[in-house]
Amino acid sequence: SQLAEENSWALSVHEGESVTVNCSYKTSITALQWYRQKSGKGPAQLILIRSNEREKRNGRLRATLDTSSQSSSLSITATRCEDTAVYFCATDASGYNKLTFGKGTVLLVSP
Amino acid sequence: GPKVLQIPSHQIIDMGQMVTLNCDPVSNHLYFYWYKQILGQQMEFLVNFYNGKVMEKSKLFKDQFSVERPDGSYFTLKIQPTALEDSAVYFCASSFLDNQDTQYFGPGTRLLVL
Repeated sequence: SQLAEENSWALSVHEGESVTVNCSYKTSITALQWYRQKSGKGPAQLILIRSNEREKRNGRLRATLDTSSQSSSLSITATRCEDTAVYFCATDASGYNKLTFGKGTVLLVSP
Repeated sequence: GPKVLQIPSHQIIDMGQMVTLNCDPVSNHLYFYWYKQILGQQMEFLVNFYNGKVMEKSKLFKDQFSVERPDGSYFTLKIQPTALEDSAVYFCASSFLDNQDTQYFGPGTRLLVL
């Protein structure tokens, strides 16, 4: 069974709209991270949110964490075509950076 | 931002051969990682490495796998001998600290075992 899992396989929005990607996980964690992976590149970290935090922002990105329901969301406002990518949540249960990734949500932002 | 390089970008080899995947981590980083991603599946942790030693490895890190970073050069993943199921994209990552620190990933090496 997946230890971390995004809830949508793919999302499509138009430029300027907002979008939210959701993630659920199954174990107790020390932190949850959101990554973005563009075609042909490795994943790049967007936000790290620790288990004692409820919300974290980074520019147009906002991540939330609900440890009681073991879920997280990543919202992107004012989307741009360059936000097109696969978005992953990754959990760290050990605290030693051994990451467990979900399968990812494909986000397509069209003009 | 900081960049991790991986060489080669693609590798095709025959089953049973040895392959070495090379990673050039961020220069001041101390912790190094390998992840494996099979097409259509999620990325999975293989191993992390610090101060010349394997700190933790997953069940995917078979006996045929080994890692090293001789004299601060490339951080390498060696597979000997290779098997068909080793076909995947292998991502290297590095971080300065281990505890919840940002991992910087390379672009991956696409390995195809025939």
